[in-house]
Amino acid sequence: GENVEQHPSTLSVQEGDSAVIKCTYSDSASNYFPWYKQELGKRPQLIIDIRSNVGEKKDQRIAVTLNKTAKHFSLHITETQPEDSAVYFCAASYSSASKIIFGSGTRLSIRP
Amino acid sequence: GAVVSQHPSWVICKSGTSVKIECRSLDFQATTMFWYRQFPKQSLMLMATSNEGSKATYEQGVEKDKFLINHASLTLSTLTVTSAHPEDSSFYICSAILAGGEEQYFGPGTRLTVT
Repeated sequence: GENVEQHPSTLSVQEGDSAVIKCTYSDSASNYFPWYKQELGKRPQLIIDIRSNVGEKKDQRIAVTLNKTAKHFSLHITETQPEDSAVYFCAASYSSASKIIFGSGTRLSIRP
Repeated sequence: GAVVSQHPSWVICKSGTSVKIECRSLDFQATTMFWYRQFPKQSLMLMATSNEGSKATYEQGVEKDKFLINHASLTLSTLTVTSAHPEDSSFYICSAILAGGEEQYFGPGTRLTVT
């Protein structure tokens, strides 16, 4: 089955700087790669996703890149703000309507 | 957007008792729902896939006789933790897929504490 690895487990950046979180997956059949933000005690919120036919996607301060050959995908947050502090999960799935396998999570802290 | 609710939002039960958690799609029909478990400071682990009108498909290592899943209608799936033990204490989250759709919507989660 699919296995998703995520690094780093914790990340602290100065407000205004960029943050990068990296993931790898094992199943070459995976085609859908969502990223979730989870605040303590709450449900995960989809912040951006990318499908296998696209190499990069951007939404304001958030961008994702995907390298299907290497089975790598990354989340980039620019101009970080205090409200970006949360736990971020990458995930992989065959499609957006299939079961999702989550990475281990990255706790992002933004230093004022 | 589509709304998924869970009930209860939190529950405390004694060891050895059973607890039922409900997952409802409030404004759409969901042919498929997923159940996840999240221990403190850990990731979401998929427990099972629940399809309306059929038996749930459990992930490897998840005891189907301990975690009973019923998806009797297009808007409701239930997870029953039988003979709960302290190690079952966790955050249980469901998600639902709109029938014929491609988006997955998460419920708010249920925090179970077994004493």
